[in-house]
Amino acid sequence: NAGVTQTPKFQVLKTGQSMTLQCAQDMNHEYMSWYRQDPGMGLRLIHYSVGAGITDQGEVPNGYNVSRSTTEDFPLRLLSAAPSQTSVYFCASSYSTSEHNEQFFGPGTRLTVL
Amino acid sequence: AQSVTQLDSQVPVFEEAPVELRCNYSSSVSVYLFWYVQYPNQGLQLLLKYLSGSTLVKGINGFEAEFNKSQTSFHLRKPSVHISDTAEYFCAVSPPGTGGGNKLTFGTGTQLKVEL
Repeated sequence: NAGVTQTPKFQVLKTGQSMTLQCAQDMNHEYMSWYRQDPGMGLRLIHYSVGAGITDQGEVPNGYNVSRSTTEDFPLRLLSAAPSQTSVYFCASSYSTSEHNEQFFGPGTRLTVL
Repeated sequence: AQSVTQLDSQVPVFEEAPVELRCNYSSSVSVYLFWYVQYPNQGLQLLLKYLSGSTLVKGINGFEAEFNKSQTSFHLRKPSVHISDTAEYFCAVSPPGTGGGNKLTFGTGTQLKVEL
């Protein structure tokens, strides 16, 4: 199993550009989520999905869209990038929607918005 | 709503010495508690978790944590650290019973630096 994979590893955008961060898992996990990690702030939940076709907002959803058309993929879209979205983005998945399940994290995407 | 406080942003320690990383949480409901570790340039991985039962929880790599309900704490300990334990450690909580997945609330992290 490759686990949770994320592409790209690094990305530089200009303000106003759009892009999609890719996330895929091959563990047939039901639950997937996106976090952003900023210095001194830990990780904060952006969006999550409890299954294909079902998504919901987390703590910091503004400026981001998600969709879940398959169990495996959970892309994160930045509609119009802003410098405040400079961050490291982590995708995570877990076996079920139970609150006590271990989450498996991808290696992250480091995004810089100029 | 819940929050997590990790008071120590950095903890330097010599190899083979014991270490304690502190975590306090605030919540109006009971929560599940987790410790995750992030090695340089990697994603997070689970060290241990407390759901219920025995307040002393053992995890991977020789780490353990103790849940103290009266002090709302979940401190992480290791009796003898190794250079390879150098990493950032995150405490996190998740409210049970929502049925909507493991929506973790993280602390700000503690950087553990093990020195020779």
